[in-house]
Amino acid sequence: AQSVTQLDSHVSVSEGTPVLLRCNYSSSYSPSLFWYVQHPNKGLQLLLKYTSAATLVKGINGFEAEFKKSETSFHLTKPSAHMSDAAEYFCVVSDQINGNQFYFGTGTSLTVIP
Amino acid sequence: GAVVSQHPSWVICKSGTSVKIECRSLDFQATTMFWYRQFPKQSLMLMATSNEGSKATYEQGVEKDKFLINHASLTLSTLTVTSAHPEDSSFYICSASRLAGDLNTGELFFGEGSRLTVL
Repeated sequence: AQSVTQLDSHVSVSEGTPVLLRCNYSSSYSPSLFWYVQHPNKGLQLLLKYTSAATLVKGINGFEAEFKKSETSFHLTKPSAHMSDAAEYFCVVSDQINGNQFYFGTGTSLTVIP
Repeated sequence: GAVVSQHPSWVICKSGTSVKIECRSLDFQATTMFWYRQFPKQSLMLMATSNEGSKATYEQGVEKDKFLINHASLTLSTLTVTSAHPEDSSFYICSASRLAGDLNTGELFFGEGSRLTVL
């Protein structure tokens, strides 16, 4: 069975400091992993995705994530937080065998302090 | 990039009335669309999976007679909240995937969401 755990419901960082949003997954098969961002009262926007190619994935707005199979993790990072990064972030997993199913984490709310 | 449009973005209605929310894929054909409900400060809850030309598959606990889903074309799916009550107030989001191949690699394209307020 597939599942996603976002370890922090809320993360707060100062502007200009690094961001780390943690995600662990459980998947019986080769997973596809995604990070989406949601600003208030908006839909979800794809930041990046891993689909069995390079384990270090670069996304939009300076975000990147590294797929670590041994740790079953797909943490999202950014070297320097910007005020506009304040939003809700969701880690999502799907498997390539049952590609019609997407499993959402509970979300991490990122606050950026000026 | 692929764009999914939801309409209306915000609707207020009286208790007992029905509300229709549209989800359109503007520049691609969406074989599968998903409908979610999101409560404040919570994750998305999948309500149903909609395939073009067939009946939607509802998640456990979602009343199919309450939330009517129609996916009549490859670019349009609708969610109708029938006989709405205040507890149906929520943020409803749709997403779409392109051809079958996209399902295995991601990615989902999300609408902007529709906020329903039932008085």
